[in-house]
Amino acid sequence: QVQLVESGGGLVKPGGSLRLSCAASGFTFSDYYMSWIRQAPGKGLEWVSYISSSSSYTNYADSVKGRFTISRDNAKNSLYLQMNSLRAEDTAVYYCAREGPNSSVDYWGQGTLVTVSS
Amino acid sequence: QSVLTQPPSVSAAPGQKVTISCSGSSSNIGNNYVSWYQQLPGTAPKLLIYENNKRPSGIPDRFSGSKSGTSATLGITGLQTGDEADYYCGTWDSSLSAGGPHWVFGGGTKLTVL
Repeated sequence: QVQLVESGGGLVKPGGSLRLSCAASGFTFSDYYMSWIRQAPGKGLEWVSYISSSSSYTNYADSVKGRFTISRDNAKNSLYLQMNSLRAEDTAVYYCAREGPNSSVDYWGQGTLVTVSS
Repeated sequence: QSVLTQPPSVSAAPGQKVTISCSGSSSNIGNNYVSWYQQLPGTAPKLLIYENNKRPSGIPDRFSGSKSGTSATLGITGLQTGDEADYYCGTWDSSLSAGGPHWVFGGGTKLTVL
């Protein structure tokens, strides 16, 4: 069965950095686009970034462009999100998500909480 | 605020039917498939409907989806207390914002089963 397991969240000071990881299993990771989607406390879903199956194409939300970098290692079945210059408004649960073949996000991880506070 | 517009909350009694609307524009709903997600309290979102009206395996036929123009609707019949959750619509947006195609979501609708 498909599993996506995030790690790397935690408490960080404003201006700091954090690297999130997502371990994928149960499917051919290299066949799928992958995304990071976040949810601030008590708020809705916000797409953050996605990466193509071969890493040739990436895109970012305006709110994180220039600060966050998405990457993947298909040999390790892993997705990453490097987050720099973190701000209080980046505080959220970050979900690793698979782009399904049918124009949907068909699997989500359990999420990892990132808290940016002094 | 969110690119897609949903009502903040809806409610109905057990056994009844409820609909949740999702309004967008030609750059998103008007030209792309809509999907719907259910988020039970304290859990990750789960795919409920894809390609406007299709259900993944394991999703009961009490859940249905439709799309017309730049709006979409999620319907739930035979409401159960276990359906209490937040529901989100989502789709691709082809506008030039964010530097290319990107996902957009509605603000979410909280379903209360009275």
